[in-house]
Amino acid sequence: DAGITQSPRHKVTETGTPVTLRCHQTENHRYMYWYRQDPGHGLRLIHYSYGVKDTDKGEVSDGYSVSRSKTEDFLLTLESATSSQTSVYFCAISSLPGAQETQYFGPGTRLLVL
Amino acid sequence: ELKVEQNPLFLSMQEGKNYTIYCNYSTTSDRLYWYRQDPGKSLESLFVLLSNGAVKQEGRLMASLDTKARLSTLHITAAVHDLSATYFCAAIIQGAQKLVFGQGTRLTINP
Repeated sequence: DAGITQSPRHKVTETGTPVTLRCHQTENHRYMYWYRQDPGHGLRLIHYSYGVKDTDKGEVSDGYSVSRSKTEDFLLTLESATSSQTSVYFCAISSLPGAQETQYFGPGTRLLVL
Repeated sequence: ELKVEQNPLFLSMQEGKNYTIYCNYSTTSDRLYWYRQDPGKSLESLFVLLSNGAVKQEGRLMASLDTKARLSTLHITAAVHDLSATYFCAAIIQGAQKLVFGQGTRLTINP
């Protein structure tokens, strides 16, 4: 298994509070991704990173921000959580651009926004 | 805009039978990925299809890619209960590092 951990694994929070999810990898892979998974939608890309301090938006980036100050860590922040952000969040990594090899996924974080 | 559609979304089948999951995508993409997800678990990579006509096989699963038809298939041969899972396909956005996933096909294999 690729060395990817996510924390926390489960979180319950209230509407309007900020939330930060962490993805940590031990593979020294350059590319990191945040997805959310919702029934009927598959996985949708929120943000991704192609290097330290280099990030870009995915298809559902509104309400989310990211930061990557070290190769191994990619943080996802919900600036003011809403109930529509209740979801399962997956981090993924790859050593080459997505076209060249598969992405490896972390265990996921289940987030409930009340 | 690249869209990826899978069908069927739900599939219940008996052990020993054969079936195919279809993955259609809307715009040019020359890379196609298949993943498996067990309930409550993460995604596991099954196949990466890198060119037109690519075919890959692992056990009872075989995946193929037809870039001209914008179609990939995942064929299950002589299904067994252990193959029960949700299967996702994903296509790459040309010139970008982004994957677009299908909705997933929930496969249930009954004894």
